[in-house]
Amino acid sequence: SQQGEEDPQALSIQEGENATMNCSYKTSINNLQWYRQNSGRGLVHLILIRSNEREKHSGRLRVTLDTSKKSSSLLITASRAADTASYFCATDDDYKLSFGAGTTVTVRA
Amino acid sequence: DAGVIQSPRHEVTEMGQEVTLRCKPISGHNSLFWYRQTMMRGLELLIYFNNNVPIDDSGMPEDRFSAKMPNASFSTLKIQPSEPRDSAVYFCASSSPTGTGEKLLFGSGTQLSVL
Repeated sequence: SQQGEEDPQALSIQEGENATMNCSYKTSINNLQWYRQNSGRGLVHLILIRSNEREKHSGRLRVTLDTSKKSSSLLITASRAADTASYFCATDDDYKLSFGAGTTVTVRA
Repeated sequence: DAGVIQSPRHEVTEMGQEVTLRCKPISGHNSLFWYRQTMMRGLELLIYFNNNVPIDDSGMPEDRFSAKMPNASFSTLKIQPSEPRDSAVYFCASSSPTGTGEKLLFGSGTQLSVL
């Protein structure tokens, strides 16, 4: 079952702009992860944030986690055409990850 | 390491035929997952192995699906007989958990089309 739900479903931005997507989930978690999927490829892990962390950075990525609201956000700064992909949040349920439906991001040159 | 390797990359078969998908996890990883991805249902976990033992197969849709992991470096997912509604992308992923819900490394997937 999908625990995480991403919002928006799709996002189109100009190169250089920032892209923000959100993830809401239902039950308590140990950690939350974000993955990227390019068309026709497997998912690639981007970042993991633990339940006791509020913010994490990795390069042009910034992830926040608000456990009181059961939500997370992923910000991609200074977007590039290569950032065009689908982005998924995943929440852990003991040993397994449940993925949301994803946000499709299109970066226009 | 070459990453998680799946074969075949694409499979087209006719309804009723047996289909076998293969996966080689990353060396040293002791957890292996099979996921299915469709537009309608997104990513669904089918089965999870830990140290070659199936731990949770509650996501396997029905008896037509079976999965094995005879050793640490190989797993198969078999569908017999296949049906058009099995058409999807099947992903294998592995991880080396040091805690709960650690990151997964995915293969490139097998695109299955059942005609």
